[in-house]
Amino acid sequence: QVQLVESGGGVVQPGGSLRLSCEASGFNFKNFGIHWVRQIPGKGLEWVAFIRFDGSHTDYAESVKGRFTISRDNSKNILYLHMSSLRDADTAVYHCAKDQERLDEYYFDFWGQGTLVSVSS
Amino acid sequence: EIVLSQSPGTLSLSPGERATLSCRASQSVTGRYLAWYQQKPGQAPRLLIHGASTRATGIPDRFSGSGSGTHFTLSISRLEPEDFAVYYCQQYNTSPITFGQGTRLEI
Repeated sequence: QVQLVESGGGVVQPGGSLRLSCEASGFNFKNFGIHWVRQIPGKGLEWVAFIRFDGSHTDYAESVKGRFTISRDNSKNILYLHMSSLRDADTAVYHCAKDQERLDEYYFDFWGQGTLVSVSS
Repeated sequence: EIVLSQSPGTLSLSPGERATLSCRASQSVTGRYLAWYQQKPGQAPRLLIHGASTRATGIPDRFSGSGSGTHFTLSISRLEPEDFAVYYCQQYNTSPITFGQGTRLEI
């Protein structure tokens, strides 16, 4: 069955950096674009970033552009999110979420459980 | 940016009743590029509907989506106990994609 398992979250000081990972299984990872979507605990959802199935295109929310970098390793079925210059407002649960096969549709037919990032001094 | 406003904020109903959830957009969502998700406590969101009215794989037919332009609706025809959750709409027509703030469906 499809699985997306995030890791790498934790507590980090403002201005610090963190790298999140998302391990995929149960589907042909190299054929699917993947997104990061975050959720402030108890609050709503915010799209963060996208990478096309072959890594040829990336896209970012304005709030993270220039600070976050999305990447993927199709040989290992892993997605990454490199986060730097972290701010209090980046505190959230970060989910990876799967797009449609070889299409940049920007809706998500499967989500991981998420990993919590807490930015605090 | 398209702002999505969901109403009501909380909907209190009983199993067996019909639920109607609303999602209004600040600008037209052309192409009906609107999705609905269900989220239960401690779980990831689950896709219910995409393209405004197409049920995702494995979603029961008591869930239906309708609407176009700036007004969309998610209907649940006969509520089951497992349907009580938070529901979000999302538009993917215009960058940046955006979500509504959610409707909590409670018993």
